[in-house]
Amino acid sequence: DGGITQSPKYLFRKEGQNVTLSCEQNLNHDAMYWYRQDPGQGLRLIYYSQIVNDFQKGDIAEGYSVSREKKESFPLTVTSAQKNPTAFYLCASSKEGVGVNQPQHFGDGTRLSIL
Amino acid sequence: AQSVTQLDSHVSVSEGTPVLLRCNYSSSYSPSLFWYVQHPNKGLQLLLKYTSAATLVKGINGFEAEFKKSETSFHLTKPSAHMSDAAEYFCVVISGGGNKLTFGTGTQLKVEL
Repeated sequence: DGGITQSPKYLFRKEGQNVTLSCEQNLNHDAMYWYRQDPGQGLRLIYYSQIVNDFQKGDIAEGYSVSREKKESFPLTVTSAQKNPTAFYLCASSKEGVGVNQPQHFGDGTRLSIL
Repeated sequence: AQSVTQLDSHVSVSEGTPVLLRCNYSSSYSPSLFWYVQHPNKGLQLLLKYTSAATLVKGINGFEAEFKKSETSFHLTKPSAHMSDAAEYFCVVISGGGNKLTFGTGTQLKVEL
């Protein structure tokens, strides 16, 4: 079955450490997204990518970085500059990035906590 | 610009009774609207979508929603709640042919025996 795989499911970060969250999709979707979810705040967009080797900042990009070297993969790095990284991180993808209002398909998330 | 407001943060119903989760939207262009469901520690699953075709949209698990332009609403309903419906529900808007979804803050649905 096609889908989006996020790993790991749980991740712990020490102070001053960078961590990378993995997101892989086999849906052949062009666009991929990273969201952060905090209780009572819905989802907020961190970064998105409409095509390989291109990505754009979302609403809360500070302290995060991404890469899109392959169509299937869109890893998110939470850097030490992100002072409040504890959250549930969701990766999503959609068939076309621009020009049509497509729904997004989501992975099962990674829960990041600070040690 | 686009926004979405979910009018209730928590809704509690008895099993077998109707469910109503309310959503109002604002959009400068003709919007597409979605409802997603999220079970604990899981991703979001698409329940249904409105993309300018029929205004009454049927989704999975017996849910449906009606797009009412005059009221700028897209409320989610189900005739009879089941215990497995207990989850958080998100109303989402996208417009202008873009790719940025705007999420509501969610409604937690509790189903009691």
